[in-house]
Amino acid sequence: KQEVTQIPAALSVPEGENLVLNCSFTDSAIYNLQWFRQDPGKGLTSLLLIQSSQREQTSGRLNASLDKSSGRSTLYIAASQPGDSATYLCAGRMDSSYKLIFGSGTRLLVRP
Amino acid sequence: DTGVSQNPRHKITKRGQNVTFRCDPISEHNRLYWYRQTLGQGPEFLTYFQNEAQLEKSRLLSDRFSAERPKGSFSTLEIQRTEQGDSAMYLCASSLVDSLGGYTFGSGTRLTVV
Repeated sequence: KQEVTQIPAALSVPEGENLVLNCSFTDSAIYNLQWFRQDPGKGLTSLLLIQSSQREQTSGRLNASLDKSSGRSTLYIAASQPGDSATYLCAGRMDSSYKLIFGSGTRLLVRP
Repeated sequence: DTGVSQNPRHKITKRGQNVTFRCDPISEHNRLYWYRQTLGQGPEFLTYFQNEAQLEKSRLLSDRFSAERPKGSFSTLEIQRTEQGDSAMYLCASSLVDSLGGYTFGSGTRLTVV
């Protein structure tokens, strides 16, 4: 059974810091992995999607990597801003299924 | 196309009442998914459709829950005889068959059972 874990559960950093959010999964037979952002009481906004054949994806100040062999993905946020404050969720889709398995998220607070 | 649309945004209901939520996916997406999210947790899969066919249901989806996707377009999720434990955010997502473009989620429906 695939399990997705996100560490840390919460993170508070001063504005301008570079930071890394971690996501680990137990089953390496992953089809793709997607990072989402969720603001309080809102739905999910897709940030980056990494296919199993890819190592990383970049969008602006965000960079996500995927290492299937170690069962890990990281989301790197450069030069953090208060507007980055939100919960970040990673979700994996397995080769044998169409559903996403989510981690519990990392709550990020960027202090001005 | 403005993305995945969910209605209503919020629903407060008394225990024992029935509620129905609607999801309008991105028009060219033939897969539609329902997820449930409780406070502090990641979303959990409930069910998914490919066109009008419901292909998988989670064990979380008790017999009080039913989902439909007539004509393969919009979908409805109905909860009968609501219980306080049903209070959650109900999220809908859609994707293309190959999911190469990933999933697109709606803004969700927040259900509160009092």
